[in-house]
Amino acid sequence: DGGITQSPKYLFRKEGQNVTLSCEQNLNHDAMYWYRQDPGQGLRLIYYSQIVNDFQKGDIAEGYSVSREKKESFPLTVTSAQKNPTAFYLCASSIAGDGGEQFFGPGTRLTVL
Amino acid sequence: QKEVEQDPGPLSVPEGAIVSLNCTYSNSAFQYFMWYRQYSRKGPELLMYTYSSGNKEDGRFTAQVDKSSKYISLFIRDSQPSDSATYLCAMSLSGGYNKLIFGAGTRLAVHP
Repeated sequence: DGGITQSPKYLFRKEGQNVTLSCEQNLNHDAMYWYRQDPGQGLRLIYYSQIVNDFQKGDIAEGYSVSREKKESFPLTVTSAQKNPTAFYLCASSIAGDGGEQFFGPGTRLTVL
Repeated sequence: QKEVEQDPGPLSVPEGAIVSLNCTYSNSAFQYFMWYRQYSRKGPELLMYTYSSGNKEDGRFTAQVDKSSKYISLFIRDSQPSDSATYLCAMSLSGGYNKLIFGAGTRLAVHP
């Protein structure tokens, strides 16, 4: 089955720790995205990548980092510089270019202890 | 002012009712319009996708886009308890990298 997988489903982080969220897709999509969702708010774009070895900051990139070494994979690292990291993180992918429908993974719930 | 406004609800309706969900937006350059359904603690699922103005129908779902009023709607006919979820509108520009701007989502509850 084609789709997007995210792991882990739940993640707990202590203050001062970096954590990495995994996102893998087998849809052969060129573009991948990371969003953050907070209660009562829409999804906000953290980073996006349209092609391997290239990525750009979204609206709320501070405290996050990404890499895109393979077409299928787009991991997100939440660093200790992110002051309020507790949220639901969603990865998405689409074909490149205008209007490509974005398909989402199941999400990772990150909680800071 | 947010680029996309969506009433958060909650909206509670009896089974079988017609549901109307709406979003307004401020940027007249938006060209692509989407509706996603999100169940609790799950990723959003794409329901409807339209380009520019007009209507699109898929089963019990109808999406409408009125660009002159900067207003989009999703209608659900014969609503079912399984339709209970949060519905997110999203839109994007052309000539860009496909960045989606989301509404905050409307929580819908369909009771038997």
